[in-house]
This record gives sequence, C-alpha cells and structure tokens, in this order.
Amino acid sequence: EAQVTQNPRYLITVTGKKLTVTCSQNMNHEYMSWYRQDPGLGLRQIYYSMNVEVTDKGDVPEGYKVSRKEKRNFPLILESPSPNQTSLYFCASSPDRLHPSYEQYFGPGTRLTVT
Amino acid sequence: TQLLEQSPQFLSIQEGENLTVYCNSSSVFSSLQWYRQEPGEGPVLLVTVVTGGEVKKLKRLTFQFGDARKDSSLHITAAQPGDTGLYLCAGYNTDKLIFGTGTRLQVFP
Repeated sequence: EAQVTQNPRYLITVTGKKLTVTCSQNMNHEYMSWYRQDPGLGLRQIYYSMNVEVTDKGDVPEGYKVSRKEKRNFPLILESPSPNQTSLYFCASSPDRLHPSYEQYFGPGTRLTVT
Repeated sequence: TQLLEQSPQFLSIQEGENLTVYCNSSSVFSSLQWYRQEPGEGPVLLVTVVTGGEVKKLKRLTFQFGDARKDSSLHITAAQPGDTGLYLCAGYNTDKLIFGTGTRLQVFP
C-alpha cells in the first residue's frame, strides 16, 4: 500500500531533550516536506527536500533540522525542543517538485508536547 | 506574505443542509487545492482547480476557482455525517503551497 509513515505518533518530552521524528514514504517520491499544524494558523511548512541531499527552509524553520540521506526517509530533528514547538507535525511527499497538478500525500501526523 | 483566509472557521449543521466554505486571498495563485482532514489523520486531496472560473463537481461537492484566481469556494449539497472534518484550501504559487486557516465542519445526524 502506498503510504507515508511517521513515528512516533505521540510524544511527550521535556525542554531541551533532543528528539527525532521519522518519516518514510514507499512511493519513490522526489519531493518531501514537513509541516506543523496549529489552531487558527493552518499548515505551515518547516523544511522541504527536492531530492536526496537537497533540503531547504520553509516558512518556519527555526529550531528544526532535517536530513535526506535516502530518497524514502526524511527525519525531522529538534535539537533542543521548547514549549512553543508543541504542535501537530505532518510529513508529506509528492512525485516531483511542487507542481500545481501534483497531489501531496500526507502522513498520519505526530502530536508533540514539550513541557 | 501570502495568506489564505477561510470562512467560516467553524460550522455545525444538520444532516441534509447545504453549506458553502470560502477561501480568500489578496494574492493570485496558479492553482488551488482543497483537502479534507479527519481526526487522527493527515489531509487528503479532494480536488485541484487550475483555471480562473473553473468549476469542478465531485458527487455532492462543488468547487469553484474565482475568475481572478484569488479565491475559491466549496459547496456541499445535502451534507451527511461522513462529511465531518477539517477542510483546508491550499494555493500554489512559484514553488510554494500556502495552506488556508481551515474550516471545521460538523454534520449532525
């Protein structure tokens, strides 16, 4: 089944404790991205990747890191999480670079709470 | 900064009623997508509209892209409880996909 998977689905952590949220897609998609979703703000892009070893900042990259060492995986790293990073995070992938007619396929989300 | 404002923010209706959700911006977009998101899941694409004035129908859902490509609407006829969810519009322009603020719809039996 074609899908985007994220782990963990739920995570409660403390300020400053490094964490990684994994994302994997099995559709051989070139483009992957990370979003955070907050009430009243919609989905905001954190980082995106056009292909392996190519990553770029989205609209809200501060406090996050990503890597794209393999085509299928795009982990999100929070080196020193803070309470304002408490949010619902989504990984998404698309067949090619962002294009008007291409659909983005979203993972199920990771709810992160930083205390 | 490009913004997409959706209205209303919340909508609670009875089964069988009609409703319209609006997505507005001061910016022009090359295309506009509508997604639906159910609790505990990621957004799923419903439709993409690319031409100003375009109207697309998906069973009971009708999507329209404004003539100036700055706005869009989603009309649901005879809403059903299965339509419950968060509806998101997303405008595409120059390698960026900007998401709207979302409309949370609840349809009661």
